[in-house]
Amino acid sequence: SQTIHQWPATLVQPVGSPLSLECTVEGTSNPNLYWYRQAAGRGLQLLFYSVGIGQISSEVPQNLSASRPQDRQFILSSKKLLLSDSGFYLCAWGLGSGGPGTQYFGPGTRLLVL
Amino acid sequence: AQTVTQSQPEMSVQEAETVTLSCTYDTSENNYYLFWYKQPPSRQMILVIRQEAYKQQNATENRFSVNFQKAAKSFSLKISDSQLGDTAMYFCAFGRQTSYDKVIFGPGTSLSVIP
Repeated sequence: SQTIHQWPATLVQPVGSPLSLECTVEGTSNPNLYWYRQAAGRGLQLLFYSVGIGQISSEVPQNLSASRPQDRQFILSSKKLLLSDSGFYLCAWGLGSGGPGTQYFGPGTRLLVL
Repeated sequence: AQTVTQSQPEMSVQEAETVTLSCTYDTSENNYYLFWYKQPPSRQMILVIRQEAYKQQNATENRFSVNFQKAAKSFSLKISDSQLGDTAMYFCAFGRQTSYDKVIFGPGTSLSVIP
């Protein structure tokens, strides 16, 4: 069966510091991968998605970037965090074209920028 | 562009009763997917139920069922025999049948099950 991991679970960082959040998927090959951000009490905002190694698409221009160095690894980064980067970050995976169209989510990372 | 609307920001239901959460969407596509996700206080997003637009039969998963009205672009979720563990945020979502299966989420409905 497939599983998705995210770490760290919680992170408190000062403004201006770098960020690296990691997401890995087990039990499937060539998944589509997604990064979402959720502000408190709000819906999900798609940040980045990837359909393959090295292929990253950005949905919202901002202070963040994403990379996919391996088939089942997806990394969210920032060189200098802003207060507005605080939130709950969710990674998700899904099958590609021809799949059931469902996304499966990891446990999330709570990020607080002070 | 596709949009998903959930007009009920908050709802409550007595334990063991039935509740229906509303969702409408806007699209010009004919083939797509619709989903209901549950986010309990742990904030883990959990898939509750999925509907494929080409299927006329409404999807069911145990106590959860949907009323899919394609012409009206409506996709409501019915929870029967509500349990305390059903307390959560519920998100309606729309997915296009594309190479990257982009999903658009509604703003959510906060459901409280009252003992």
